[in-house]
Amino acid sequence: QQQVKQSPQSLIVQKGGISIINCAYENTAFDYFPWYQQFPGKGPALLIAIRPDVSEKKEGRFTISFNKSAKQFSLHIMDSQPGDSATYFCAPYSGGGADGLTFGKGTHLIIQP
Amino acid sequence: ETGVTQTPRHLVMGMTNKKSLKCEQHLGHNAMYWYKQSAKKPLELMFVYSLEERVENNSVPSRFSPECPNSSHLFLHLHTLQPEDSALYLCASSQEVLTHYGYTFGSGTRLTVV
Repeated sequence: QQQVKQSPQSLIVQKGGISIINCAYENTAFDYFPWYQQFPGKGPALLIAIRPDVSEKKEGRFTISFNKSAKQFSLHIMDSQPGDSATYFCAPYSGGGADGLTFGKGTHLIIQP
Repeated sequence: ETGVTQTPRHLVMGMTNKKSLKCEQHLGHNAMYWYKQSAKKPLELMFVYSLEERVENNSVPSRFSPECPNSSHLFLHLHTLQPEDSALYLCASSQEVLTHYGYTFGSGTRLTVV
């Protein structure tokens, strides 16, 4: 059973544009919604995360939008820069076991200069 | 550096070889994990250790053998691997077991089985 569906698989955005990556989930027990960023040759690193008691969180150019009823959350990158080119993973989490650690398949983002 | 160090960074081994991957965390975390990352697949959780005790083993073939001698070190011993085992192997640690809080990955070991 695929608990997390991340889209798109790959994305090309012009410099200065808005990058949007979506994550749909099935497990209503998830209570922590992070996005991880992975550069080539590196492990994933936590980028930004949100809890379900808020609908939006912004940190600099990165924003998470959360829709609890639709069981979706998305990552928005404003004013996208070539340095944002990386693979992004959503990883909704619930406590209580290894099943709570669930990563999406990843989105390969390329920002063209 | 992220606080989680993995060695070697790259490894090429034959199917009959025996090799080991090493992970060391300098964060004072109590839990450590091994993941497998293959192209076009989700990150696969392989093993979970909490205070040197194995907590989870997600149906990983016995040709992968983990070892956690203390809370700062984690090894993955490899023997008689198959070409499909070629992947990026990531180590991670967290403050407490099976929590995302403070979750930190190493840079991984790129393994190629020939």
